[in-house]
Amino acid sequence: NAGVTQTPKFQVLKTGQSMTLQCAQDMNHNSMYWYRQDPGMGLRLIYYSASEGTTDKGEVPNGYNVSRLNKREFSLRLESAAPSQTSVYFCAGSDRPSYGYTFGSGTRLTVV
Amino acid sequence: AQSVTQLDSQVPVFEEAPVELRCNYSSSVSVYLFWYVQYPNQGLQLLLKYLSGSTLVKGINGFEAEFNKSQTSFHLRKPSVHISDTAEYFCAVSVDSGAGSYQLTFGKGTKLSVIP
Repeated sequence: NAGVTQTPKFQVLKTGQSMTLQCAQDMNHNSMYWYRQDPGMGLRLIYYSASEGTTDKGEVPNGYNVSRLNKREFSLRLESAAPSQTSVYFCAGSDRPSYGYTFGSGTRLTVV
Repeated sequence: AQSVTQLDSQVPVFEEAPVELRCNYSSSVSVYLFWYVQYPNQGLQLLLKYLSGSTLVKGINGFEAEFNKSQTSFHLRKPSVHISDTAEYFCAVSVDSGAGSYQLTFGKGTKLSVIP
């Protein structure tokens, strides 16, 4: 029962490097989301995808891009990492607003 | 747009004492309300949710929450806490716009520390 799987779990980047955070779900969710979690800030929405082939900006999209490759996969890309992007990133999936989300276990990213 | 305010960033409580974690929301339309728990170095897990009907909802691990529409609140309670309840708790709200696109808006979290 995998649910929502994120890779990698930990990553250290140098300023200016790029990387892609991967997220895959096997729950047939239509909607997928990327959030970042920072101390005292709660979870803030970066991007979301309401369905395969669509993506929309959330509250804090600057410095990120996303790809909804198919129904299962929703990746988050940092083109030129900055120390301000040091955070814990969560991917989530959902089918309806009344269902809530199923979360992945997170990716802890440090940019030095 | 909706918003969520968690009134306490940290709540210390002695083991076996009762606890209440407060949450207020604002929205111009009907909402769905959620409480999530995050144990250290883990993801978020759904505790309970309010969709409609009875204003008192029960969740996992002995937690319950009461929806109060007039006060726009959704406070989380437990009559007797255990050490294992030490975690961060997040209140969240979503609305169904009917347009097929929706998101959860989260509060900033409340850290519950249970003292032996």
